[in-house]
Amino acid sequence: KAGVTQTPRYLIKTRGQQVTLSCSPISGHRSVSWYQQTPGQGLQFLFEYFSETQRNKGNFPGRFSGRQFSNSRSEMNVSTLELGDSALYLCASSDRGNEQFFGPGTRLTVL
Amino acid sequence: AQSVTQPDIHITVSEGASLELRCNYSYGATPYLFWYVQSPGQGLQLLLKYFSGDTLVQGIKGFEAEFKRSQSSFNLRKPSVHWSDAAEYFCAVGGITGTYKYIFGTGTRLKVLA
Repeated sequence: KAGVTQTPRYLIKTRGQQVTLSCSPISGHRSVSWYQQTPGQGLQFLFEYFSETQRNKGNFPGRFSGRQFSNSRSEMNVSTLELGDSALYLCASSDRGNEQFFGPGTRLTVL
Repeated sequence: AQSVTQPDIHITVSEGASLELRCNYSYGATPYLFWYVQSPGQGLQLLLKYFSGDTLVQGIKGFEAEFKRSQSSFNLRKPSVHWSDAAEYFCAVGGITGTYKYIFGTGTRLKVLA
């Protein structure tokens, strides 16, 4: 099976812009979670989707949003980008086994 | 509140030496515990996991970890470190009912001396 894929792998944006990141889970996995990784805050949970429904949300401002499609692919969106949004954004997918498989991440740089 | 503590930010060992990375967790129920490794610029790779049963779990790349409920610990060990083990290691707790949300420790960066 192919692993979790994330596109794009690298992204450069300027403050105030918005960005959309995409995640394709492992075939058959219905849960997709998103994490933000920064040197200062480490790995922080953003949100989780299961069968197109947001099941859990981390402590991030409303500028961070996501959705999941019927084929389990997920997107996350960040509006009005700030310098502090520069991070590696990791997507993970799960089946029923409570084990998450992570993608390679999208490196977002905000200038 | 659930939390994971990795007290060592950096660890340096010589190649061939043994390794132990510490992880302590705070969780109100029986946790699911994980160790992941991350090489520079890469995503997270699962090394091993503990759900239940035998408290000593074996993982990939020669790693093992022991769950100690009385100490709320899940330390990662390897008897002989290879230069390719240099990376950042993350302990995580999961199993929060109804979600796949993980809580990660801050990570331990391992440096291996030749």
